[in-house]
Amino acid sequence: EDQVTQSPEALRLQEGESSSLNCSYTVSGLRGLFWYRQDPGKGPEFLFTLYSAGEEKEKERLKATLTKKESFLHITAPKPEDSATYLCAVLSGDYKLSFGAGTTVTVRA
Amino acid sequence: DAGITQSPRHKVTETGTPVTLRCHQTENHRYMYWYRQDPGHGLRLIHYSYGVKDTDKGEVSDGYSVSRSKTEDFLLTLESATSSQTSVYFCAISEREARGAYEQYFGPGTRLTVT
Repeated sequence: EDQVTQSPEALRLQEGESSSLNCSYTVSGLRGLFWYRQDPGKGPEFLFTLYSAGEEKEKERLKATLTKKESFLHITAPKPEDSATYLCAVLSGDYKLSFGAGTTVTVRA
Repeated sequence: DAGITQSPRHKVTETGTPVTLRCHQTENHRYMYWYRQDPGHGLRLIHYSYGVKDTDKGEVSDGYSVSRSKTEDFLLTLESATSSQTSVYFCAISEREARGAYEQYFGPGTRLTVT
C-alpha cells in the first residue's frame, strides 16, 4: 500500500529563519511527486511536480528536492505570507494519487 | 482556483437526507475528481471521472455516487447523509498530457455538516 508521511506536523518559524519540510514515501512505480500549498478555508494550490530522483524545482523562497525515498521543501528566509499548510502527494504507477496529512507552517514577524 | 467553482460553499443538513454537491470547470479538462479532507487525514479520493459518463470509485466511495453528463460538470451525491460524512469536500481537475503531466488543480471546497 502506498504511504506518504509528512514531518513535522507543525513548524513555527521566525521571519527569515530558513527550514525544511520532509515528505517520505513508499510507492510502487513513482510517476510524480507533487507539492501543494493550502491556506485556511481554501483549496490546495499547486506548487511543484518532481518526476525523478535528483530533480529540483524553485519558486520564490521555496525549493523542492527529490530522492528515491523522500522529498524536501526548503523555505529560505520565510515571510509571514509563507504561513500555510504544505501538502505532499505521490502518483503511483497505476495512477493512484496519495496525499500526506500536511505540515502547517507559521511564520512570525 | 484554475476556473473551478463548487456549490454550495457551505451546507448544513440532517442525517438521512440526500445531498448533491456540484463542481463546475471552465478549463475543458478531461479528468475530474472528488476528495474529502478531514483533520489528521490527507485528502482522500471518493470518485473520479475520466470523461462524460465515465466514472470510477476511489478509496472512500461507500455512501457516495457521482454523475457527469457534461464535460464541465461533476456532481457528487450523498444518498443518505450520515454524521461521518461531515467534512470538507474538494473537486479537482487534471489533463493528462502526452508528456505525463498529472497535476491536479483544486476548487475552493464545500464545507458540509450533517447533524
